[in-house]
Amino acid sequence: AQSVTQLDSQVPVFEEAPVELRCNYSSSVSVYLFWYVQYPNQGLQLLLKYLSGSTLVESINGFEAEFNKSQTSFHLRKPSVHISDTAEYFCAVGGSGSARQLTFGSGTQLTVLP
Amino acid sequence: DAGVIQSPRHEVTEMGQEVTLRCKPISGHNSLFWYRQTMMRGLELLIYFNNNVPIDDSGMPEDRFSAKMPNASFSTLKIQPSEPRDSAVYFCASIGDTNTEAFFGQGTRLTVV
Repeated sequence: AQSVTQLDSQVPVFEEAPVELRCNYSSSVSVYLFWYVQYPNQGLQLLLKYLSGSTLVESINGFEAEFNKSQTSFHLRKPSVHISDTAEYFCAVGGSGSARQLTFGSGTQLTVLP
Repeated sequence: DAGVIQSPRHEVTEMGQEVTLRCKPISGHNSLFWYRQTMMRGLELLIYFNNNVPIDDSGMPEDRFSAKMPNASFSTLKIQPSEPRDSAVYFCASIGDTNTEAFFGQGTRLTVV
């Protein structure tokens, strides 16, 4: 069985400040790890993913996440946030083959304040 | 491709009525998922199809819920009879063989009054 824990339900931060959204996962097998973003009244969009290889992965809009196997974590970071980053962020684990379904964390609402 | 298409976007119905939600996955994708999102329970996987066959329906809450995938380009999620506690946003997502991430539709916001 797989599970994901997002430790913070709400993260308020001022514009241009750094932010870290925490994610820990549990799985008995190798997994893929994902961060999705959801803007109000929209579906989920992939932000970035870890499959294998380099443990640091980056998105096109300045977010990055680091896979830490020993700590079973996949925290999301951005060095300087913008108002437009305000959204809900979901961490997820998924598998391969017949186990491709994603298990999501409870989400973290990031609110960027002016 | 237009992405995963869900209809309707919004549905308001009275308790006891039948509700049918529809999903068209991305062409060529062979895995399809139905998720339900609520404030209390977050995102829950309801059912997972692979090549039109249900693989895991352990998340379907009860017999009032049923899902079908008659062909590779269409799936339905039906609730009969609907209850107020079914009010939620229902998402459909699909994955292709060459993908690792799921692509989500815009969701259907269901309100049962």
